[in-house]
Amino acid sequence: EIVMTQSPATLSVSPGDRATLSCRASQSISINLAWYQQKPGQAPRLLIYGASTRATGIPARFSGSGSGTEFTLTVSSLQSEDFAVYYCQQYNNWPPPMSTFGQGTKLEIK
Amino acid sequence: EVQLLESGGDLVQPGGSLRLSCAASGFSFSSYAMGWVRQAPGKGLEWVSAISGTGNPTYYADSVEGRFTISRDNSKNTLYLQLNSLRAEDTAIYYCAKGRSHGSGIFCEYWGQGTLVTVSS
Repeated sequence: EIVMTQSPATLSVSPGDRATLSCRASQSISINLAWYQQKPGQAPRLLIYGASTRATGIPARFSGSGSGTEFTLTVSSLQSEDFAVYYCQQYNNWPPPMSTFGQGTKLEIK
Repeated sequence: EVQLLESGGDLVQPGGSLRLSCAASGFSFSSYAMGWVRQAPGKGLEWVSAISGTGNPTYYADSVEGRFTISRDNSKNTLYLQLNSLRAEDTAIYYCAKGRSHGSGIFCEYWGQGTLVTVSS
């Protein structure tokens, strides 16, 4: 099983600043990685797939990068609505249960 | 607009059964793989099961293999999850997700709002 490790567990950032979230895979997953945002009481929402392609309707301040085992989600100029939990998911190994999620990074207001 | 509307969650005793449904609209349902992802209280996301657009093949997490059954009715644009032999650790919000193929796998392009399953005596 590919283990996805997200860091940090919690990130405190001020509105207007940049946030950088990391996701590491235990083995190479090429660019088969997605990022999701989840706000309290809501379902997850797709942000990024293919490591760097923004999903429909996602603002340009969200960007993804990386390949292989190291990935980054960057949120430039944080807005109040961006404070949430972010999950990465590898889909290089398919089907479930081989497709795995990271444990999440909580982005909170500093 | 893609919409996924789950129903069927409830409080059930250990060993009991439930059937979850997910009504889909806004896309060609039979053309896409679908899946169920769950989230235990205060925890992260876990794939439970997935199914191809035709209904075969199906896939399950090890933790639910043999107890849960995924199915779909493409004539009704509806996804199902039959949950049997429920355990306390199955307590979670169950999300229906529309899959999208990319690269070597599938990611969750759209999610429903979730339905809560609570297993407790």
